Amino acid sequence: GESVGLHLPTLSVQEGDNSIINCAYSNSASDYFIWYKQESGKGPQFIIDIRSNMDKRQGQRVTVLLNKTVKHLSLQIAATQPGDSAVYFCAENIRGSTLGRLYFGRGTQLTVWP
Amino acid sequence: EAGVAQSPRYKIIEKRQSVAFWCNPISGHATLYWYQQILGQGPKLLIQFQNNGVVDDSQLPKDRFSAERLKGVDSTLKIQPAKLEDSAVYLCASGRGQEEQYFGPGTRLTVT
Repeated sequence: GESVGLHLPTLSVQEGDNSIINCAYSNSASDYFIWYKQESGKGPQFIIDIRSNMDKRQGQRVTVLLNKTVKHLSLQIAATQPGDSAVYFCAENIRGSTLGRLYFGRGTQLTVWP
Repeated sequence: EAGVAQSPRYKIIEKRQSVAFWCNPISGHATLYWYQQILGQGPKLLIQFQNNGVVDDSQLPKDRFSAERLKGVDSTLKIQPAKLEDSAVYLCASGRGQEEQYFGPGTRLTVT
């Protein structure tokens, strides 16, 4: 079954503020994580990924942090914009499962207010 | 680079009818996935193909769902007969392996 979940189902932030979206996982064999953004009526869009041998990875305006000790993943979005409003999912690949198979969490709805 | 294409975008059927969805993955992607996404939930994998072979269909309700990927390119997912609980968005994704998966826009199925 799914082992990835999210602490908060919704998050509202003011435009320009930083956003932090959290994700908890329970399987210590998880070795690859991806954050996806899904806008209404569209398929999930890749944001950033991280492997279990790393604890931080940065992209453009986004940073993913991985804490394997407490099995926690977070996505930080800097200077959040209205276009960032979407549902954000974390997904994991579990070592030993089918190569490429991803398990998705429930998602967090991010709303950015102008 | 063209993305993953899916059709139709929307489909409304009555329960016990059959329905089929089509997916054209990104050129060169050997791996193709079908997901079911129920409203308010994350996508759940139904079946995974590597070229034209099935590598994981453990979550596919095989009594009513079937999928094929002839020639290792396009794929179709069929539901026969449909139930009310099959109402969901069906997403197709493609990739090269244990890397990011690229998703199509999905087909929204409503079973009445």
